[in-house]
Amino acid sequence: AQKITQTQPGMFVQEKEAVTLDCTYDTSDPSYGLFWYKQPSSGEMIFLIYQGSYDQQNATEGRYSLNFQKARKSANLVISASQLGDSAMYFCAMREDNNAGNMLTFGGGTRLMVKP
Amino acid sequence: KAGVTQTPRYLIKTRGQQVTLSCSPISGHRSVSWYQQTPGQGLQFLFEYFSETQRNKGNFPGRFSGRQFSNSRSEMNVSTLELGDSALYLCASSFDRPDNYGYTFGSGTRLTVV
Repeated sequence: AQKITQTQPGMFVQEKEAVTLDCTYDTSDPSYGLFWYKQPSSGEMIFLIYQGSYDQQNATEGRYSLNFQKARKSANLVISASQLGDSAMYFCAMREDNNAGNMLTFGGGTRLMVKP
Repeated sequence: KAGVTQTPRYLIKTRGQQVTLSCSPISGHRSVSWYQQTPGQGLQFLFEYFSETQRNKGNFPGRFSGRQFSNSRSEMNVSTLELGDSALYLCASSFDRPDNYGYTFGSGTRLTVV
């Protein structure tokens, strides 16, 4: 079974508008971390935001916020005021803390295209 | 500060050959993880090294191996290359459980097997 599901293979958004990228996850581990990464065409993965399973508040980082709904096992990324430079692949990832170490499980990604 | 450095950036190899990829982490980071990215399978975890010890291993055949040196630099090796090994190989470095500042990835090595 997929542990991380991103149901939107591709999305368009108008410049300066907000956009929500969906991510649902599946784990039985009570302690886990959720990450969002941006991958431009250059290939490098750029860390955007982190949410811990025990965090009470939704994470925010500049124009990025994470809509964390624990009971629904969803961790959607919200990008406010989209910019042309936001065009890229976006990946949701999870680390389950019952495993020692730093292993990330990634979703299939969403390609975001920002229109001028 | 210097980022994660992966070398080489691009590589073309022939089926049956072997290849070694290198990853130099950010200074002070002791964890190095490797991922394979392909259009069909997406991003898949290969293995993680922490203080020269393999701590986790993904579901890849034994042809894929790695090691970490005392300066935390890591190498991964793929022996007897197959066409399906063509991929972008990414490494990520971190302190242990970096959480709020995430894992730092390199730009990757793009391997093409012909």
